[in-house]
Amino acid sequence: KQEVTQIPAALSVPEGENLVLNCSFTDSAIYNLQWFRQDPGKGLTSLLLIQSSQREQTSGRLNASLDKSSGRSTLYIAASQPGDSATYLCAVYQAGTALIFGKGTTLSVSS
Amino acid sequence: DTAVSQTPKYLVTQMGNDKSIKCEQNLGHDTMYWYKQDSKKFLKIMFSYNNKELIINETVPNRFSPKSPDKAHLNLHINSLELGDSAVYFCASSQGGRSNQPQHFGDGTRLSIL
Repeated sequence: KQEVTQIPAALSVPEGENLVLNCSFTDSAIYNLQWFRQDPGKGLTSLLLIQSSQREQTSGRLNASLDKSSGRSTLYIAASQPGDSATYLCAVYQAGTALIFGKGTTLSVSS
Repeated sequence: DTAVSQTPKYLVTQMGNDKSIKCEQNLGHDTMYWYKQDSKKFLKIMFSYNNKELIINETVPNRFSPKSPDKAHLNLHINSLELGDSAVYFCASSQGGRSNQPQHFGDGTRLSIL
């Protein structure tokens, strides 16, 4: 049974720092991996989707990598800003089910 | 212009009641989902429909019954509500059941059982 783990559970950084959020999964038979952002009281916003055949995806200050064989993904945020404060969720998509989520990393960026 | 919209946003009701949550997407997607986010913020799939056909039905009590009148709508009806049903319910959609496309989420329905 697929399990998705995100480390750390919470992270506090000063504005301007570069940071890395980690995601690991136990079953490498995935179609894709998706990173989301969730703001308090809001839904999920898709940030990046990496297909199983890809190694990384970039959008602005965000870069996500995928190492399927080792069951790992990282989300790199460059030059963090207070507006980046949110919970970041990693999810994998497998055959026969929908997205399987980790429990998220809650990021706080102070000005 | 909301892509995936859910109503109501908040739902407070008594134990034992029956309630429905509606979801509509205007993205032209053919696959829709219901997820449950519990008090510990953990998100888990409940159901998925592709072209109005049920394709995923996780181990959810049969008090929960999804209905898809057309590809743009997926409603969730809950009978005999229990305290443990308190959660945030998210609707999502994507193009293609096997989904090489990202899923788009609504803002959630916060269900509180008294």
